[in-house]
Amino acid sequence: GQQLNQSPQSMFIQEGEDVSMNCTSSSIFNTWLWYKQDPGEGPVLLIALYKAGELTSNGRLTAQFGITRKDSFLNISASIPSDVGIYFCAGLPGTYKYIFGTGTRLKVLA
Amino acid sequence: GAVVSQHPSWVICKSGTSVKIECRSLDFQATTMFWYRQFPKQSLMLMATSNEGSKATYEQGVEKDKFLINHASLTLSTLTVTSAHPEDSSFYICSARRLAGDSYNEQFFGPGTRLTVL
Repeated sequence: GQQLNQSPQSMFIQEGEDVSMNCTSSSIFNTWLWYKQDPGEGPVLLIALYKAGELTSNGRLTAQFGITRKDSFLNISASIPSDVGIYFCAGLPGTYKYIFGTGTRLKVLA
Repeated sequence: GAVVSQHPSWVICKSGTSVKIECRSLDFQATTMFWYRQFPKQSLMLMATSNEGSKATYEQGVEKDKFLINHASLTLSTLTVTSAHPEDSSFYICSARRLAGDSYNEQFFGPGTRLTVL
């Protein structure tokens, strides 16, 4: 099935550093969402974006819906060890069916 | 709110047997539930969309007779893997779509079910 291009694929960072990851598509999406998945668990919703250009924060997390509606980014500020996990973007080209990104594996070094 | 549960959390079965996985929305009604499959170190791949009271819609390449889906109520969907084989071993995750104000496109995911077929 179709997937979104997500980068970077993985990253190792020091505790306290900021993290940035993005998701791109060749087609337009109406909604972008960012999820975090811990090992052996289901994804947990972090941020949902509904309008082009929208910038939304959730604690140390900030995400933006690209103006072209073909991309989105997620920033994590001042990372902590519990930020470790896999981050997935998801886009909706229509009204209900998600297309998931390939995932970004984040490892935080204390 | 918006809690989704799955049962069992893990299951080991013999090749040729059938396995049923339940997905429940605990504190909201879900007219639409989704079933995903995830292989190690890969993303989630949508298998089928389950609508309460109607037949499920399967994604291309997913065998309807292999993966039986029933959405009997607004809070319960089941996935039955029939005549399971080792290649069916995977992490199966369900999600439920909640209708709530502007957040109509959000899906809330269950904790997943690890299926191992021997």
